Amino acid sequence: EAEVAQSPRYKITEKSQAVAFWCDPISGHATLYWYRQILGQGPELLVQFQDESVVDDSQLPKDRFSAERLKGVDSTLKIQPAELGDSAMYLCASSLLALSSYEQYFGPGTRLTVT
Amino acid sequence: AQTVTQSQPEMSVQEAETVTLSCTYDTSENNYYLFWYKQPPSRQMILVIRQEAYKQQNATENRFSVNFQKAAKSFSLKISDSQLGDTAMYFCAFFTGNQFYFGTGTSLTVIP
Repeated sequence: EAEVAQSPRYKITEKSQAVAFWCDPISGHATLYWYRQILGQGPELLVQFQDESVVDDSQLPKDRFSAERLKGVDSTLKIQPAELGDSAMYLCASSLLALSSYEQYFGPGTRLTVT
Repeated sequence: AQTVTQSQPEMSVQEAETVTLSCTYDTSENNYYLFWYKQPPSRQMILVIRQEAYKQQNATENRFSVNFQKAAKSFSLKISDSQLGDTAMYFCAFFTGNQFYFGTGTSLTVIP
């Protein structure tokens, strides 16, 4: 069964350092989401792509976060510089968004710890 | 603005019993989709059940069923014959247009 892939699964970094996360959605899924999930809370949308275009990045802290999906397939989320408050799970999800299905498929996430 | 509210941060249920998780939402949209997602400890989030707002019939998936009350903007999840593997965080989610909105989750523990 096709799955959303993410790497790394765990990342520990010091504050002020740069960190990057990678996501490979399910083949054929044009829509890709990056979420941040703080422990004990629900996912918060950071950025949404439709193919290679950003559809919504209103909640992305653009002074330190950036995201790209250059070829409309896999995507990278970067944080530079990392801050202590960035410690969270970063989830990637993809969706077909066809009329018959609006289901999101989630990857395993990257757990980031900033020290 | 679209919001999703889960008012039960934690719940527990005895194995084999039935439990209901609550979810309410707020929207001015007429066409939307509602979901319940399950996130087991240290495992990825998976879809449990989906409900289209235009359908009056409540969705069911094996032991999982929903009570969808559109006028009340309520979307509760009922888990029958609870199993130990049902222990997880459960998130209610709402989709309209092109964005998903998630609730804060309910942590469910199934007690042997």
